[in-house]
Amino acid sequence: NAGVTQTPKFQVLKTGQSMTLQCAQDMNHNSMYWYRQDPGMGLRLIYYSASEGTTDKGEVPNGYNVSRLNKREFSLRLESAAPSQTSVYFCASSATPSSGNTIYFGEGSWLTVV
Amino acid sequence: GENVEQHPSTLSVQEGDSAVIKCTYSDSASNYFPWYKQELGKGPQLIIDIRSNVGEKKDQRIAVTLNKTAKHFSLHITETQPEDSAVYFCAASMKSGAGSYQLTFGKGTKLSVIP
Repeated sequence: NAGVTQTPKFQVLKTGQSMTLQCAQDMNHNSMYWYRQDPGMGLRLIYYSASEGTTDKGEVPNGYNVSRLNKREFSLRLESAAPSQTSVYFCASSATPSSGNTIYFGEGSWLTVV
Repeated sequence: GENVEQHPSTLSVQEGDSAVIKCTYSDSASNYFPWYKQELGKGPQLIIDIRSNVGEKKDQRIAVTLNKTAKHFSLHITETQPEDSAVYFCAASMKSGAGSYQLTFGKGTKLSVIP
């Protein structure tokens, strides 16, 4: 009953370091998403993958890259971390990218860039 | 793109009272409006949703209303309980340029239910 699993849960990076957030879902969903959540800003879409083999930019893609490794896994990479990327990151998935499909979220990854 | 405004940002109610959270959206093409509840340290979870062909939907103590003409929708929680304390997000779904649908979220309402 795992749903959407993301790692790591907490990470502290120095400015300029790189890291990858991992995400996996076990619901056989086609679509996966990465959001960031900042105080007072709600949830903003970074990148999404409508189906295996495709990725598209969301609202705030700058400074990030993604890889849809297979149907289950969708990773988010910060190549050169900046303090502005301090945030809580949520991976999510849905059956399809169609309107009305429930999006299921992971538990979040807390990232601090110093 | 879509813009979703959510009010209030914080809301305190006495246990047993009702709570109402309101959202407006900008794009008349949006056709799906979910509400998510986020507890401290957790990811958001869907609690109720409504589609554009329906004006109201109810699930036990939770109800959502939609006014397409005015482009606003609301979450109503009756007989509030301490476990309702959380951050609530509204969202609107519209077609993206890539042909799929994206959710645009409001900025959230922190609901506190006082015992």
